[in-house]
Amino acid sequence: GEEVAQTPKHLVRGEGQKAKLYCAPIKGHSYVFWYQQVLKNEFKFLISFQNENVFDETGMPKERFSAKCLPNSPCSLEIQATKLEDSAVYFCASSLYKNTEAFFGQGTRLTVV
Amino acid sequence: AQSVSQHNHHVILSEAASLELGCNYSYGGTVNLFWYVQYPGQHLQLLLKYFSGDPLVKGIKGFEAEFIKSKFSFNLRKPSVQWSDTAEYFCAVRETGRRALTFGSGTRLQVQP
Repeated sequence: GEEVAQTPKHLVRGEGQKAKLYCAPIKGHSYVFWYQQVLKNEFKFLISFQNENVFDETGMPKERFSAKCLPNSPCSLEIQATKLEDSAVYFCASSLYKNTEAFFGQGTRLTVV
Repeated sequence: AQSVSQHNHHVILSEAASLELGCNYSYGGTVNLFWYVQYPGQHLQLLLKYFSGDPLVKGIKGFEAEFIKSKFSFNLRKPSVQWSDTAEYFCAVRETGRRALTFGSGTRLQVQP
């Protein structure tokens, strides 16, 4: 498609539950990025992929967060055993090449209660 | 580590006033620079970008930005704002060799009719 599509738009989870977010990058884009936005500012980089390979995961809290980008499937970001501090908007972005601009999806608002 | 500073957190202007939003970054090497806008309830949209060449770049909706390498700055300008420019503005920097963006904390612009 011509837009980065993120689902769901909103997700509510009780503390300790699992959360799974999905992202379909723009068709033909090779690079996918996940960012976490807390409190309407401060975008924090989580992880990036080049096709299905992890390129940079320096921002991922390794204990509970995992992500995948498999061929012919939306990319996913999974949080095991969510905590209150995981409440944020999670944005996915994709870019065509490594040095081109990133296009962002609408985000998934995760609320952990 | 790379950091991006946006010194104006909240700016209130009247329509037709001129706008300048500051952005400074800390990385000493070659960078790509971006300004994104987030309208209420919407995703990030790219306003303009600088990769190389003319340090004065023009973007969409009448916005422009000037890269001043000696000052590590990339300030956003618009000669005459409109009510529809009310949004959150984010400066972002990408070090060459990395794929991920480092964002500033954002500036909330409120334009009063």
